[in-house]
Amino acid sequence: DIQMTQSPSSMSASLGDRVTITCQASQDIGNNLIWFQQKPGKSPRRMIYYATNLANGVPSRFSGSRSGSDYSLTIISLESEDMADYHCLQYKQYPNTFGAGTKLELK
Amino acid sequence: QIQLVQSGPELKKPGESVKISCKASGYTFTDYAMHWVKQAPGKGLKWMGWINTYTGKPTYADDFKGRFVFSLEASASTANLQISNLKNEDTATYFCAVITPAFDYWGQGVMVTVSS
Repeated sequence: DIQMTQSPSSMSASLGDRVTITCQASQDIGNNLIWFQQKPGKSPRRMIYYATNLANGVPSRFSGSRSGSDYSLTIISLESEDMADYHCLQYKQYPNTFGAGTKLELK
Repeated sequence: QIQLVQSGPELKKPGESVKISCKASGYTFTDYAMHWVKQAPGKGLKWMGWINTYTGKPTYADDFKGRFVFSLEASASTANLQISNLKNEDTATYFCAVITPAFDYWGQGVMVTVSS
């Protein structure tokens, strides 16, 4: 099975900060990765698909990138509405696997 | 628009069974696979598996083989998740979801609480 190692597990940041969350894949997944945002009591919301593509309706301060087996989600200027949990999902092969999640909180 | 509407919360005792439903609307049910995802309280998302809505063939992640059954009522555009011999560690929110490379739609989640 492909393991997705997500870091950090939690972080606190200030409004306006640049924030980066990373998932490292244990095997090649190509760009078959989705980033989700999840707020308390809600279903996940797609933010980035195919590793680097912004989903419909997602603010342009979000971006996705890849360096080798490391996949990153970056928020360039944090806003209060961005406080949430973030999850990566690889769908290159079954079983699909999520990262462990990152809780992003306001400092 | 595509919607997935799941059944309501469940409170069960250890050893009992539970069946959760996920009714799809706004698209042809057999066009897309249905995935199931578990989220224990305060924890991350865990992919449980998927069911081919055209053939009815389920595929389970290793941790969900044995007590978990995915099924369909295709005529009602509904996917079901049944969990038997419930354990305390099954306490979680269970989501159904259509997840494709291009888009995804999620149910609202069903909270299953297992407690004696």
